Amino acid sequence: GQQLNQSPQSMFIQEGEDVSMNCTSSSIFNTWLWYKQDPGEGPVLLIALYKAGELTSNGRLTAQFGITRKDSFLNISASIPSDVGIYFCSGSSNTGKLIFGQGTTLQVKP
Amino acid sequence: NAGVTQTPKFQVLKTGQSMTLQCAQDMNHEYMSWYRQDPGMGLRLIHYSVGAGITDQGEVPNGYNVSRSTTEDFPLRLLSAAPSQTSVYFCASSVAGAPYNEQFFGPGTRLTVL
Repeated sequence: GQQLNQSPQSMFIQEGEDVSMNCTSSSIFNTWLWYKQDPGEGPVLLIALYKAGELTSNGRLTAQFGITRKDSFLNISASIPSDVGIYFCSGSSNTGKLIFGQGTTLQVKP
Repeated sequence: NAGVTQTPKFQVLKTGQSMTLQCAQDMNHEYMSWYRQDPGMGLRLIHYSVGAGITDQGEVPNGYNVSRSTTEDFPLRLLSAAPSQTSVYFCASSVAGAPYNEQFFGPGTRLTVL
């Protein structure tokens, strides 16, 4: 079946540093979504991407839909302690269903 | 709006017991789904529904049943709980027209099967 490979699996960074994470797929996706999950909560949508090559920002977050439609990345600039959590990429193809990556756990040291 | 609500928040079951995880949304979303989250595996789709009276299987449906009698509610039933079903369960919903996109998640139910 379809799979998403998300990397890195975890990151431990200093407050103020920039963060980058990415997802790759073995098949083409029509939509890429990035979610953040705080401890003990459900995932919350951060950014949605619907077009190959699309670059979208949401505050300090920037995400891009890869031109090949098989990858996407998320950047966080000037990280702060509240950025701590698990970040998930997800994508949907012609089947319509959302497939999720394994998640990137981010820890920020003040 | 309360968004997507789930009950209970925590549950401990013995092997073989049955129970129903409740999910409700007040956003008039047609699409609802259930996922389970296990460490290092992301979220995996169990069952989903594109509208009242319509349900279908996801990636890991075995051991779970669902029904959708109203737009608002989408309960998940465990018929005979097994330790392999120990997980965190999330319900999600989205608007029609983009049924698999921009899903809104509930807070989750943490289930332990002994």
